Amino acid sequence: ILNVEQSPQSLHVQEGDSTNFTCSFPSSNFYALHWYRWETAKSPEALFVMTLNGDEKKKGRISATLNTKEGYSYLYIKGSQPEDSATYLCAFAGGGNKLTFGTGTQLKVEL
Amino acid sequence: DVKVTQSSRYLVKRTGEKVFLECVQDMDHENMFWYRQDPGLGLRLIYFSYDVKMKEKGDIPEGYSVSREKKERFSLILESASTNQTSMYLCASSPGRYTGGGYTFGSGTRLTVV
Repeated sequence: ILNVEQSPQSLHVQEGDSTNFTCSFPSSNFYALHWYRWETAKSPEALFVMTLNGDEKKKGRISATLNTKEGYSYLYIKGSQPEDSATYLCAFAGGGNKLTFGTGTQLKVEL
Repeated sequence: DVKVTQSSRYLVKRTGEKVFLECVQDMDHENMFWYRQDPGLGLRLIYFSYDVKMKEKGDIPEGYSVSREKKERFSLILESASTNQTSMYLCASSPGRYTGGGYTFGSGTRLTVV
């Protein structure tokens, strides 16, 4: 079973703060790295799919970077808002059909 | 709006019952997946399928089986439910043979086995 680790496990920030999380994954046999946002009582929603070393993706106030050589990805949220409160999951694809998920970072943005 | 639909949001079943969890997608996706989510353990893959009548074991297949008779439908079967199968079950689908695209998830079924 592949090891995909996320840190921190949980995070409380104030509205307007910027924050970032880490995902580490195997640096060998890399195919893609996914990020998902999972809000309470909703389905996980795909944020980014990243495939190339050095990739940077952006969606509004959320961005992500990828380093496949050292096996890590960062997710950044600029100016956090209460609606950003969710669990953020990363998932590693080593080729083939399936993803291995990390345990997630639970973000709570307080007013 | 494309989606993955899971038949039940909440289920309560008795130990020893045979349980069917149904998942239907309307996106003509080849790949379909069943995960369970438990606190502190993240999403763990139970089974997946990349074509009709094809299935492959994931990381935790014990106590489960699956059926994919039609492309749009992927069923998870608990042959004899046990209390350690109490969990949140998520179905997902993705296009194509490889995971170049993001998954689309259903809203989950919270199963309680008593």
